[in-house]
Amino acid sequence: TQLLEQSPQFLSIQEGENLTVYCNSSSVFSSLQWYRQEPGEGPVLLVTVVTGGEVKKLKRLTFQFGDARKDSSLHITAAQPGDTGLYLCAGGGNTNAGKSTFGDGTTLTVKP
Amino acid sequence: DTAVSQTPKYLVTQMGNDKSIKCEQNLGHDTMYWYKQDSKKFLKIMFSYNNKELIINETVPNRFSPKSPDKAHLNLHINSLELGDSAVYFCASSLNLLAKNIQYFGAGTRLSVL
Repeated sequence: TQLLEQSPQFLSIQEGENLTVYCNSSSVFSSLQWYRQEPGEGPVLLVTVVTGGEVKKLKRLTFQFGDARKDSSLHITAAQPGDTGLYLCAGGGNTNAGKSTFGDGTTLTVKP
Repeated sequence: DTAVSQTPKYLVTQMGNDKSIKCEQNLGHDTMYWYKQDSKKFLKIMFSYNNKELIINETVPNRFSPKSPDKAHLNLHINSLELGDSAVYFCASSLNLLAKNIQYFGAGTRLSVL
């Protein structure tokens, strides 16, 4: 079973601060996704990374896939209250019938 | 138009009852999923269907029976509800199995079993 561990589990910061969330596994993934889930809603896909070492930027969010494709990080610069939510990483299965495995999530609260 | 819609959004019921949750996607996707999110926010796959065919059935009690009348719909029927079934259930879809890593989620159904 492929497992994804996220850290920290909870993070509460002030508006304007920077933060990094980590997603780690002992397994290799063909791709890795980051989702954000707001209260009362379903997860929404933010980004997919597929190449080891790949870095993608989405405004103030920077996503990196580890060289060995076993881990990933999400860095947020100058966090805003609108960034508040549950951040989930998900690892893509390597076979056609393989499933995506979700991490245990990081709950981020950005206080104004 | 909502891409993936689930009904109902809230479901409160007594232990032992039978209930159904419906899911529809208007994205033209081939593959649909059911997930269970527990109180710790862990999202666990239950089932996936591709073009109405069952692909994944993850160690789920046989009280849970998915049904896909066509590729745009994947409903979940639960018999003899138990307290431990209380959770948020999410439906999702992807373009096809090759794009299984890019999923679109519904807003969830919050099930409370009393």
